[in-house]
Amino acid sequence: DAGVIQSPRHEVTEMGQEVTLRCKPISGHDYLFWYRQTMMRGLELLIYFNNNVPIDDSGMPEDRFSAKMPNASFSTLKIQPSEPRDSAVYFCASRAGRAYGYTFGSGTRLTVV
Amino acid sequence: AQSVTQLGSHVSVSEGALVLLRCNYSSSVPPYLFWYVQYPNQGLQLLLKYTSAATLVKGINGFEAEFKKSETSFHLTKPSAHMSDAAEYFCAVSYNTNAGKSTFGDGTTLTVKP
Repeated sequence: DAGVIQSPRHEVTEMGQEVTLRCKPISGHDYLFWYRQTMMRGLELLIYFNNNVPIDDSGMPEDRFSAKMPNASFSTLKIQPSEPRDSAVYFCASRAGRAYGYTFGSGTRLTVV
Repeated sequence: AQSVTQLGSHVSVSEGALVLLRCNYSSSVPPYLFWYVQYPNQGLQLLLKYTSAATLVKGINGFEAEFKKSETSFHLTKPSAHMSDAAEYFCAVSYNTNAGKSTFGDGTTLTVKP
């Protein structure tokens, strides 16, 4: 298995632009998570899905952030408009169930200038 | 609220010395417990997990952890540190009673001195 695949690996964009991050979870995993990691705030859960349905989006910082999971093999996290404070590493992770550990992707390093 | 506490945000050991990273959880129900490692510029990687079988759990890279219910602890150990063990380590907990997500600790950065 190729693991959790995220794209792009790096993204540099100008303030105000739309940014879309992509994630392909491991086949058969029914949970998908989006995290953000910064030096200041550490690892933050943004939103997670179970069987493609959003379960908890209380970590999404603002209405500028949105996430979708149209099918079991694909999810997106969109920021519109982007701001410099959104600069962070965004991780996608998937898992097979509550007793299983997460498999994380390699992350997308987002820089908003 | 259910939570995880990692004691010590930074731990430094000499190469060959014992590694001990501490994790305590708060819970009134049986937990699932996990340790993850994050190397620079990489995602988190599962080291080991406890899911109510043996209380001493062995993981990758020579790490192990012991579940102690009476102490609500799940400390991570390795008998002899290697330079390649330098990384950030996260403890995490999940339960059957929550909605499927894990709660992560704040992480402990391990430095290994030559």
